[in-house]
Amino acid sequence: DVKVTQSSRYLVKRTGEKVFLECVQDMDHENMFWYRQDPGLGLRLIYFSYDVKMKEKGDIPEGYSVSREKKERFSLILESASTNQTSMYLCASSPWQGTAANTEAFFGQGTRLTVV
Amino acid sequence: AQSVTQLGSHVSVSEGALVLLRCNYSSSVPPYLFWYVQYPNQGLQLLLKYTSAATLVKGINGFEAEFKKSETSFHLTKPSAHMSDAAEYFCAVTLPGAGGYNKLIFGAGTRLAVHP
Repeated sequence: DVKVTQSSRYLVKRTGEKVFLECVQDMDHENMFWYRQDPGLGLRLIYFSYDVKMKEKGDIPEGYSVSREKKERFSLILESASTNQTSMYLCASSPWQGTAANTEAFFGQGTRLTVV
Repeated sequence: AQSVTQLGSHVSVSEGALVLLRCNYSSSVPPYLFWYVQYPNQGLQLLLKYTSAATLVKGINGFEAEFKKSETSFHLTKPSAHMSDAAEYFCAVTLPGAGGYNKLIFGAGTRLAVHP
């Protein structure tokens, strides 16, 4: 059974703290993604990675960074958490497909982050 | 740029009634299309996908969707709603030839309520 595991289901952090969200996949996928989910906005891509140590900005990268030191692990970092980063964060992975792009992404359970 | 529009942020149906969730895409080329479902406090699970084979796609839990190029639509249907179908549904798109990244662009989501 394929699995994407996010280290925390719920997190409460204070404004200004540095926050790490961890994601691990066991499917040997090349691609990994971090999305942010907000009511009425759907899922918005923050960052993605297609290989170890490689990363690309998504649509809303401001205030975030990522790290991918190993193929199976992709971390999202909030350098200085702010209240407008209170949200649900979803990690996903998918295999590299060349030009095909027809395989779905697999999602973790999500981390609900509250910044107070 | 590609985009996805889901008409209706909330849909309410009676148990046993037809479910119709609307999705329209904007793309310069025929895309790959996906429907995902999210149950409360869960990650996203794939319901079905269109990848340029048959235009009528059958998915899990009795759902199906039809790709209509002339209408740029990929509406999700189920003949008879069940209480367990209550969830949030997301339509997503990615482009063939976009590289192996397979970045999904999501709609805002439709929350389906099923009442007795």
